[in-house]
Amino acid sequence: AQSVTQLDSQVPVFEEAPVELRCNYSSSVSVYLFWYVQYPNQGLQLLLKYLSGSTLVKGINGFEAEFNKSQTSFHLRKPSVHISDTAEYFCAVSVVEYGNKLVFGAGTILRVKS
Amino acid sequence: NAGVTQTPKFRVLKTGQSMTLLCAQDMNHEYMYWYRQDPGMGLRLIHYSVGEGTTAKGEVPDGYNVSRLKKQNFLLGLESAAPSQTSVYFCASSYDSRYGYTFGSGTRLTVV
Repeated sequence: AQSVTQLDSQVPVFEEAPVELRCNYSSSVSVYLFWYVQYPNQGLQLLLKYLSGSTLVKGINGFEAEFNKSQTSFHLRKPSVHISDTAEYFCAVSVVEYGNKLVFGAGTILRVKS
Repeated sequence: NAGVTQTPKFRVLKTGQSMTLLCAQDMNHEYMYWYRQDPGMGLRLIHYSVGEGTTAKGEVPDGYNVSRLKKQNFLLGLESAAPSQTSVYFCASSYDSRYGYTFGSGTRLTVV
């Protein structure tokens, strides 16, 4: 079975500092990987995705992620965060079989402080 | 705007009552999903559908039923609500998992 582990439940960081949100997955086959963001009292919005090709993926709002097959990781990074980046971030892996289901990690709350 | 619409947005139920959550999408997506979100547990799949007239169980299906009579609608039913079903419910749809999901804005359900 597929599983996704987000290694930090909360990450506090000061404004304009860099941040990394960590994600590891388990899979014995090729996967599609995603990062979603959820702002307070809203639904989930797609930040970026990895399907194939270049292992460095750029998304919206200045975020990027790097796929590392050997370490089965897909960490999310931003070089300089803003207060408006405060949100919960979810890593997800696509189960490429009947149903095209996404399996989500438990989420990481990013708190940006001024 | 095109997307996924969930109704209602909020609901309070008494234990044992029943209700139906409605999800509607106007993107002609084949796949639709119902997830529940609980603190520290991420999103867990309740049921999903791969096309009109089809449904399948996800990770946490007990206590829920679903129907997909029309391609654009996916209904989630609670036959006899329990406090353990207090959660935020999200519906999502997709054309193909490679393109990600489009999520609704959620339904906050409290069972007292």
